[in-house]
Amino acid sequence: EIVLTQSPGTLSLSPGERATLSCRASQTISRSFLAWYQQRPAQAPRLLIYAASSRAPGVPDRFSGSGSGTDFTLNISRLEPEDFSVYYCQQHDNSPWTFGQGTKVEIK
Amino acid sequence: HVQLQESGPGLVKPSETLSLTCAVSEDSISNFYWNWLRQSPGKGLEWIGYIHYSSTHYNPSLKSRVTISVDTSKNQFYLRLKSVTAADTAVYFCARVSEEGYCNKTGCTTRLTGFDYWGQGTLVTVSS
Repeated sequence: EIVLTQSPGTLSLSPGERATLSCRASQTISRSFLAWYQQRPAQAPRLLIYAASSRAPGVPDRFSGSGSGTDFTLNISRLEPEDFSVYYCQQHDNSPWTFGQGTKVEIK
Repeated sequence: HVQLQESGPGLVKPSETLSLTCAVSEDSISNFYWNWLRQSPGKGLEWIGYIHYSSTHYNPSLKSRVTISVDTSKNQFYLRLKSVTAADTAVYFCARVSEEGYCNKTGCTTRLTGFDYWGQGTLVTVSS
């Protein structure tokens, strides 16, 4: 099973600042099979990025993904109030498909 | 805009079978990968399995207890999880995975896009 480790666990930032979230895999993942999600309280996750760097329809361009191999990054260029949420990475390269434990982006 | 809606009992007794339905507002449920996932404080987000046309694929950790099926005439798919324990208490989600074509230097193929549509989730508690 591929284990995804996200860091940091919590990121405390102010609106307008840049957020950088990390996802490290326990083994190499194809770029095509790494996705990022946002989850607000009491809501289902929302797909932001797939194939490591492709934005899902309707996702603002302040969200961007990058990385390859075992190290992937989600960047939020300028935090808006609605961006303070929990973010998860997920792989569907190997079965079972797995998620990271999440990074909480909170208001400083 | 695709909508998914989970339904089923919110309380299941230990050792019994958890049964959930996901209704899909989609013209054809035959396409795409239709998934079940769950989320609990202790285990985070966990993928349970999917059905794609008539083919299923399950998380090995749950495979012995899980069945996912589909009724295309009703645009619904189903989860059955037998012999439940308190560890199966979670919010259960149904979700869709799409496939898209893409091309790179080596040629053109298809790839999965991730879970692009989700139900709102339903809390299932296992307790006597």
